[in-house]
Amino acid sequence: GAVVSQHPSWVICKSGTSVKIECRSLDFQATTMFWYRQFPKQSLMLMATSNEGSKATYEQGVEKDKFLINHASLTLSTLTVTSAHPEDSSFYICSAFRGPGTEAFFGQGTRLTVV
Amino acid sequence: DAKTTQPTSMDCAEGRAANLPCNHSTISGNEYVYWYRQIHSQGPQYIIHGLKNNETNEMASLIITEDRKSSTLILPHATLRDTAVYYCIVRVGNNDMRFGAGTRLTVKP
Repeated sequence: GAVVSQHPSWVICKSGTSVKIECRSLDFQATTMFWYRQFPKQSLMLMATSNEGSKATYEQGVEKDKFLINHASLTLSTLTVTSAHPEDSSFYICSAFRGPGTEAFFGQGTRLTVV
Repeated sequence: DAKTTQPTSMDCAEGRAANLPCNHSTISGNEYVYWYRQIHSQGPQYIIHGLKNNETNEMASLIITEDRKSSTLILPHATLRDTAVYYCIVRVGNNDMRFGAGTRLTVKP
């Protein structure tokens, strides 16, 4: 089946630094990918929609200058958390649809810890 | 997208069928019902989806009421590895998927 892969699975960074998370669709092309954030014991919260070749669409309350999204190709979207702070520590997950009306496939998630 | 309502938690005995309900009373005609589950510290895993008819695959069955206002996910023979949070989502086309709180299913030996 279709697979979406995230890298890295976990990362620890110092406060004030930036971290890049990659999301790849391994066997299909994805013109749209989605980024979610999940805090402990909470559900997934949609952060933004990543569109290949155009600007991402951010959900209300999500800072676009802090969470930079680049969807440079049909198989890769990246999320960069800039100037990370401890409150940005969370589980970040991406997803992609293989085609119209199909199910979404999710990456395995990236656990970010900012110290 | 329409909202869904699910019980916060459920228990099920190992080997028994687990029936997880979902209410989606405001669902529109072109919205599909999707079920995903999330095991701790992993990305959500697709289970099944349907529009009007009941669906079955190797993991589960999906029963959708005739008026489409509710559905039930059935895991026919629950195992300990089925312990997870189960999410019912309604979605149209390629729109984004928005997660509710889900149902925490605990399968007990």
